[in-house]
Amino acid sequence: GQNIDQPTEMTATEGAIVQINCTYQTSGFNGLFWYQQHAGEAPTFLSYNVLDGLEEKGRFSSFLSRSKGYSYLLLKELQMKDSASYLCACSGGGATNKLIFGTGTLLAVQP
Amino acid sequence: DGGITQSPKYLFRKEGQNVTLSCEQNLNHDAMYWYRQDPGQGLRLIYYSQIVNDFQKGDIAEGYSVSREKKESFPLTVTSAQKNPTAFYLCASSGQGAGETQYFGPGTRLLVL
Repeated sequence: GQNIDQPTEMTATEGAIVQINCTYQTSGFNGLFWYQQHAGEAPTFLSYNVLDGLEEKGRFSSFLSRSKGYSYLLLKELQMKDSASYLCACSGGGATNKLIFGTGTLLAVQP
Repeated sequence: DGGITQSPKYLFRKEGQNVTLSCEQNLNHDAMYWYRQDPGQGLRLIYYSQIVNDFQKGDIAEGYSVSREKKESFPLTVTSAQKNPTAFYLCASSGQGAGETQYFGPGTRLLVL
């Protein structure tokens, strides 16, 4: 079966650090994407992990453990504009680039 | 300016009516995708196309149809057989092959009158 789990909602304070977790069980796996989506807008690409470990990109970092079926997105120095949904998506294996999305985590950044 | 465009931004459908959502990309991507997004649910794949003149059903294809006559264009028709069409529809494109990043258009919100 295919299953991707993320927390539904999280709240954090401006300037702080927040970690959004994602666990997955998929029949095939090539890698894991994180997207950011503001309300009513298109998802925008944040990161892609294919190997185990941490990928850092500015204020955002993403981690993958293939053996544990686990990833997290780390957001540092939170800003109000980071309030958005964060979508975890698995590239499902095989030659195609079909993605399986989690339901997304709605992050609210408070002053 | 490269990107993906979708039109219209809002679309209203009457009962029993077919409507077509437009998706165009100038990124020279081979693969294109249509997703549906409902409140509290993740993006669900309707149809995808890896190359011109070829397309495959996704997880929720019933009540929808597509065509891929040109590399740049992948229109989606929501037919009257789709009983619950109210949703946010997102089109995406990517290079061909696993691990290629999908880039999304701005979306079309479809409402049933």
